Amino acid sequence: EVQLLESGGGLVQPGGSLRLSCAASGFTFSSYAMSWVRQAPGKGLEWVSAMSGSGGSTYYADSVKGRFTISRDNSKNTLYLQMNSLRAEDTAIYYCAKTDYDYPTAFDIWGQGRMVTVSS
Amino acid sequence: QSVLTQPPSVSGAPGQRVTISCTGSSSNIGAGYDVHWYKQLPGTAPKFLIYGNSNRPSGVPDRFSGSKSGTSASLAITGLQAEDEAEYYCQSYDSSLSGYYVFGTGTKVTVL
Repeated sequence: EVQLLESGGGLVQPGGSLRLSCAASGFTFSSYAMSWVRQAPGKGLEWVSAMSGSGGSTYYADSVKGRFTISRDNSKNTLYLQMNSLRAEDTAIYYCAKTDYDYPTAFDIWGQGRMVTVSS
Repeated sequence: QSVLTQPPSVSGAPGQRVTISCTGSSSNIGAGYDVHWYKQLPGTAPKFLIYGNSNRPSGVPDRFSGSKSGTSASLAITGLQAEDEAEYYCQSYDSSLSGYYVFGTGTKVTVL
C-alpha cells in the first residue's frame, strides 16, 4: 500500500525553528517529485514547496522562500521540511504529497498531516 | 492567496446534480495546464478525485466528472449522495513568477 506518514511539528515560538519529516512506503520514492502543502485553520490549501525525485531541483512559494528548506533522503525514503524564522501566519496543518507519475502537476497521495502552531 | 476562484458553497438534494466552477487565468488554466480536483472531509487529508481535467482515479465513482474550457474548469457531481458532502478544491500549475502549484479557494458542497 502506498503511504505517507508525517512526523514532527508541534508548538513553537515566533522566530523559532521546526523540522517535519514524511516517511514514504509502497512506491519507488526516488522516482517521484514530492511536495509540502499546508492548510491554515479554517482556510484553503496552499502549496509550500516541491523537490524533484533526484533532489536536484527545489521550488518554493514566495511566502516561505528563504525561510523554509525542503530536502529528501532517498536511501531512507523520507522527505523533510526545515522551517526557520517561523511566523504566526505559518500556523497550519502541513501535508506531504506525492506527485502522480503520468500527471506530475497532480498530487495523488497525501499524508495525514501534522499541525504546526507558531505562538508565544 | 488562492489564484483559482471557486464559489464558496453549492448545495443540492440527494439525487440531484451540482457543479463547481474553477476560474483561473492565462498563466494557469488558460495556458493549457491540467486541472485536478480533490475532496476533503472535515479533519482529514485531501483525496485525489479528478486528474488531467477529466480522468478519475481507480475507485472514484463515475458520478464525478470534470471538464475544462478556456480559463475555467468544472466539477460535476450527479446523483448527489450524503457522503458527497465535503470541501472540494481545484488545482493547477501556474507559470507566473510567483507560481508553480496553485489551488482553488475551495467549495463546500452541502447535501440538503
